[in-house]
Amino acid sequence: GENVEQHPSTLSVQEGDSAVIKCTYSDSASNYFPWYKQELGKGPQLIIDIRSNVGEKKDQRIAVTLNKTAKHFSLHITETQPEDSAVYFCAAILGGGADGLTFGKGTHLIIQP
Amino acid sequence: NAGVTQTPKFQVLKTGQSMTLQCAQDMNHEYMSWYRQDPGMGLRLIHYSVGAGITDQGEVPNGYNVSRSTTEDFPLRLLSAAPSQTSVYFCASSYQDRGETQYFGPGTRLLVL
Repeated sequence: GENVEQHPSTLSVQEGDSAVIKCTYSDSASNYFPWYKQELGKGPQLIIDIRSNVGEKKDQRIAVTLNKTAKHFSLHITETQPEDSAVYFCAAILGGGADGLTFGKGTHLIIQP
Repeated sequence: NAGVTQTPKFQVLKTGQSMTLQCAQDMNHEYMSWYRQDPGMGLRLIHYSVGAGITDQGEVPNGYNVSRSTTEDFPLRLLSAAPSQTSVYFCASSYQDRGETQYFGPGTRLLVL
């Protein structure tokens, strides 16, 4: 069936280094790709999103890239800081209709001091 | 604005008991949805609503009912709880549809014994 694959499941980086999380999707008609950050004990919060008519979007230290041909998109975090430690989820709209987002299984990002 | 609120924060049920998880938003959002989050599974859509009086099933609807009598409220009902429904439940809302920023509540942690 339609799904979103996310890798890696855990990522540990040194403070100040960059982190990259990758997702692939199965529906070539997908046109909206958000990234959510979830801190411990809280609900997910949108950090950045991209639509299929652009290839890259940046917001300060965070960027998302989209390759429609290969059906994958990535989250890039530069100059990582301790507060970046969290679980990150990619998502996509798969299929027609109005039902919700399909989420990846999440990446636990650990920033080592 | 309070945003999206959920009650209770934590609940323990015995198998076969029923309960209602409450969700409310004060942002005048039309689109509301319920997700469950299980370890290693990401978030999976249970039910969603595109406006008052309109609801539909998501990926994992079995064992759950919803109603949307007002724009603000979107309760999730468990008719006969089962241990497989042990999970963290998140309610989310957006202005009009799934292709926009989803605002998540803080979650309800449910344990079914």
